[in-house]
Amino acid sequence: QKEVEQNSGPLSVPEGAIASLNCTYSDRGSQSFFWYRQYSGKSPELIMFIYSNGDKEDGRFTAQLNKASQYVSLLIRDSQPSDSATYLCAVKSGGYNKLIFGAGTRLAVHP
Amino acid sequence: DGGITQSPKYLFRKEGQNVTLSCEQNLNHDAMYWYRQDPGQGLRLIYYSQIVNDFQKGDIAEGYSVSREKKESFPLTVTSAQKNPTAFYLCASSNQGHTEAFFGQGTRLTVV
Repeated sequence: QKEVEQNSGPLSVPEGAIASLNCTYSDRGSQSFFWYRQYSGKSPELIMFIYSNGDKEDGRFTAQLNKASQYVSLLIRDSQPSDSATYLCAVKSGGYNKLIFGAGTRLAVHP
Repeated sequence: DGGITQSPKYLFRKEGQNVTLSCEQNLNHDAMYWYRQDPGQGLRLIYYSQIVNDFQKGDIAEGYSVSREKKESFPLTVTSAQKNPTAFYLCASSNQGHTEAFFGQGTRLTVV
């Protein structure tokens, strides 16, 4: 079992719709959860982080964490073509701050 | 400006050579990380370090080596034992606890 799992996609949504990206993790001791966006050939950039159960909203983005189910998600409201990218879920766990990434989900927002 | 600097941006290696990728940060972060990314894939952890003079193997450490002699620097050596080194290498740093990692611009390594 991979430590952090994501559907590779592509996830295709029309402009203005809600995009829902999901991630599961295997280590119950995981402490912090991050969503990064990566454009082709570029470095990842942070969108949001969450470490408490529940929802966290920032503009068009909402992160949701359910530690009992070992599940974290990212919702993107009013999706724009500029949101088309690969979204990486990352989990920080263990006493050594080990930061593990999922394989990423490719999102395509079409006009 | 504060940030993470990786150099070089592009690197070509001949078969059987060792090469070293540089990563420097001036963010005063304790933790530093090296990842490898292959086309269409996610980031795979090579090595990480929480403090100076200490580092841990990640999931794909074979064929790589690192050092952490200074807080600001975490160089990665790709040795000749790494049979398929062509990839995009990313360095990151973070503080301890619930804090995000910041990335350098990456080094694209190609074996020729």
